[in-house]
Amino acid sequence: DGGITQSPKYLFRKEGQNVTLSCEQNLNHDAMYWYRQDPGQGLRLIYYSQIVNDFQKGDIAEGYSVSREKKESFPLTVTSAQKNPTAFYLCASSHRGADSYEQYFGPGTRLTVT
Amino acid sequence: GQQVMQIPQYQHVQEGEDFTTYCNSSTTLSNIQWYKQRPGGHPVFLIQLVKSGEVKKQKRLTFQFGEAKKNSSLHITATQTTDVGTYFCAGRSSGGSNYKLTFGKGTLLTVNP
Repeated sequence: DGGITQSPKYLFRKEGQNVTLSCEQNLNHDAMYWYRQDPGQGLRLIYYSQIVNDFQKGDIAEGYSVSREKKESFPLTVTSAQKNPTAFYLCASSHRGADSYEQYFGPGTRLTVT
Repeated sequence: GQQVMQIPQYQHVQEGEDFTTYCNSSTTLSNIQWYKQRPGGHPVFLIQLVKSGEVKKQKRLTFQFGEAKKNSSLHITATQTTDVGTYFCAGRSSGGSNYKLTFGKGTLLTVNP
């Protein structure tokens, strides 16, 4: 089955610790994205990557870092510098090209930091 | 930066009633996409509108893109309990990155059977 996987589904961390969220896709998509979802806030773009070894900051990149070493993988690290890390994190992917393409979302990781 | 406003934030209807959610952008859009997120789930793509004044239908769902390409709407006729969820619009600014969508905050639809 083609799709996007995120693991784990739930993640608990203590304040001050960095944590890395996994995102893998086998859809052969070039573009990948990380969004954060808070209640009543919709989806906000953290980082996106159009191609391997390249990525750009989204609207709320502070306190986060990413890497794109492989086409299939786009891990997100939530650093201790992120002031309000507790949220639902969604990874997505899409085709790359001149047109805008639909985004396919993974099931999400719910991160709780205490 | 670009802002996408979506109203209403919540809508509760009786099964069989119609439902509409509206999306307005602060800038002209090159296209707009609509997604549905079921409770506890992830967003799923519904449709993309590209042309000024475009209207598309999917069974009981009707999507419109405004003439000025700054607003859009989703109308559901005769709602069913399976329509429950949050509906998001997401727009790409004219001249902006192909990859950067700005999402509205969504409209949560609940349906009373």
